[in-house]
Amino acid sequence: DAGVIQSPRHEVTEMGQEVTLRCKPISGHNSLFWYRQTMMRGLELLIYFNNNVPIDDSGMPEDRFSAKMPNASFSTLKIQPSEPRDSAVYFCASSWTGESTEAFFGQGTRLTVV
Amino acid sequence: QKEVEQNSGPLSVPEGAIASLNCTYSDRGSQSFFWYRQYSGKSPELIMFIYSNGDKEDGRFTAQLNKASQYVSLLIRDSQPSDSATYLCAVGGGADGLTFGKGTHLIIQP
Repeated sequence: DAGVIQSPRHEVTEMGQEVTLRCKPISGHNSLFWYRQTMMRGLELLIYFNNNVPIDDSGMPEDRFSAKMPNASFSTLKIQPSEPRDSAVYFCASSWTGESTEAFFGQGTRLTVV
Repeated sequence: QKEVEQNSGPLSVPEGAIASLNCTYSDRGSQSFFWYRQYSGKSPELIMFIYSNGDKEDGRFTAQLNKASQYVSLLIRDSQPSDSATYLCAVGGGADGLTFGKGTHLIIQP
């Protein structure tokens, strides 16, 4: 398996533009997580899905952020409009819901909003 | 709100010595505990997990869990320069996601 695949790896955009980050989880995994990492706040859980259903989006910073998981093999995180404070590395991770299994991370998308 | 606390460091350890990394967590109901390693510019990768009180050993790594004290630690024996990284403590798992600490930056001095 190729692991969790994220795209793009890097994204530079202007303030106010829409940004869409993409994630393909590991085949067979039924939980998917979106994290944001900054120096100041560390690794923060934004939202997670179980069996394609959003379970908890309390970590989403504000309404400008939205996430979808239309099927078991694809998820998106959208920011509209983007702001400079959204600049961070965004990680997608997936796992198999069991007794507590590890989450496997993608390589991340480094987002810079100028 | 679940919280996971770690000393940010940097923690500097001579090569060959034991590195000791510590973590405390707020949710007494937590059942699963993980240690991830993250190299600069890379994604986190799992190195250890522990579910039961006591010690769990895997090669040069030992995870220790004390649920009564809400405390998790990671020991790295015979530290190598390649162990230099940020170590993230995480709590939770399964369908609930992981809550991460901010990580401890470990430097192994040759």
